[in-house]
Amino acid sequence: RKEVEQDPGPFNVPEGATVAFNCTYSNSASQSFFWYRQDCRKEPKLLMSVYSSGNEDGRFTAQLNRASQYISLLIRDSKLSDSATYLCVVIPGNDMRFGAGTRLTVKP
Amino acid sequence: EAQVTQNPRYLITVTGKKLTVTCSQNMNHEYMSWYRQDPGLGLRQIYYSMNVEVTDKGDVPEGYKVSRKEKRNFPLILESPSPNQTSLYFCASSERGTPYDEQYFGPGTRLTVT
Repeated sequence: RKEVEQDPGPFNVPEGATVAFNCTYSNSASQSFFWYRQDCRKEPKLLMSVYSSGNEDGRFTAQLNRASQYISLLIRDSKLSDSATYLCVVIPGNDMRFGAGTRLTVKP
Repeated sequence: EAQVTQNPRYLITVTGKKLTVTCSQNMNHEYMSWYRQDPGLGLRQIYYSMNVEVTDKGDVPEGYKVSRKEKRNFPLILESPSPNQTSLYFCASSERGTPYDEQYFGPGTRLTVT
């Protein structure tokens, strides 16, 4: 079993839709969690951190469920510019573990 | 401009010919790391460094070496490249000597080993 697992998608949604991604992790000692965004063939960039109490940044909401060992990302009112691959990141110690990414395409 | 630079951006080489991919950051960051990205596998950490002269193995260190003699530079060395090291490589840095901060990635190096 992979240490960090994501549904690869692709998720194809119309503009304005709400879409949610989940990411599960196997190391219960993991302390920090992030979502990164990666555009095609470009470098990943931080989208948002994930806090225990859940957090929101505009149209994006991230949540952590430690008991079930998963994190989620909710995107409301999808824009064409949200089309990208979303990477879940888990930090169990001093190293980093990335999920393989979930591909999102937002269509007009 | 604050950035992470990698060179070369593209490289085609032959099996066994030693190569070095350079990584440099101008943000005085303490934590630096190397990743490879392969289809279906995502980014996997090769090596990381929490500060000068401190390096540790990541998830997939076999076949790679690194050094951290200066804070700004973190070169990745392939002593004897093999075709299974064909991949997209990213270098990244973050401010403190831990991975808990935002990672700033370089533009990537696409390596092909024939």
